[in-house]
Amino acid sequence: DVKVTQSSRYLVKRTGEKVFLECVQDMDHENMFWYRQDPGLGLRLIYFSYDVKMKEKGDIPEGYSVSREKKERFSLILESASTNQTSMYLCASSVGGGNYGYTFGSGTRLTVV
Amino acid sequence: KNEVEQSPQNLTAQEGEFITINCSYSVGISALHWLQQHPGGGIVSLFMLSSGKKKHGRLIATINIQEKHSSLHITASHPRDSAVYICAVTNTGNQFYFGTGTSLTVIP
Repeated sequence: DVKVTQSSRYLVKRTGEKVFLECVQDMDHENMFWYRQDPGLGLRLIYFSYDVKMKEKGDIPEGYSVSREKKERFSLILESASTNQTSMYLCASSVGGGNYGYTFGSGTRLTVV
Repeated sequence: KNEVEQSPQNLTAQEGEFITINCSYSVGISALHWLQQHPGGGIVSLFMLSSGKKKHGRLIATINIQEKHSSLHITASHPRDSAVYICAVTNTGNQFYFGTGTSLTVIP
């Protein structure tokens, strides 16, 4: 069974901490994405990657960075966590070239206190 | 302005009822997706369609490209169908746009 695995389901961090959210897929997908989901706003794209060591900003990249050193792993980094980054974070992957095999992880609910 | 609009935002139904969730979009698309998100967060892709109609079990998705509208139907609804249903589209540049979701509760 194909999978996108996010390392934590729930995280609580303090303001100013550096936070790493990890995502691993076992489908050999080229594309990987990080979204955040907030009530009333739906899913918003933070960053995405079409290849190893490649990254592109999404709609709301401010306060975030990403790393993709290996094809199967896409990390989201909050350099200095703030309370407005409290949210549900969802990772997804898809086959290169667009829409196929689009698969989501189970999400990480991050609370910044 | 949202590129993808869903209605209703919230829906409560009795078990066994026929349910319809609507989605309208304003961009040119290559595909439309219906996603299901259960409490706890995980999202599952239900359908991807670019024309016509698809059926999977009690779920039916239709799309009218000319009217830029899609519907998700659930026949003989069951409490386990309770979830958030999200409509999303991909444009010709493979960029995703998401609706804000419809929260469905099916009461036994």
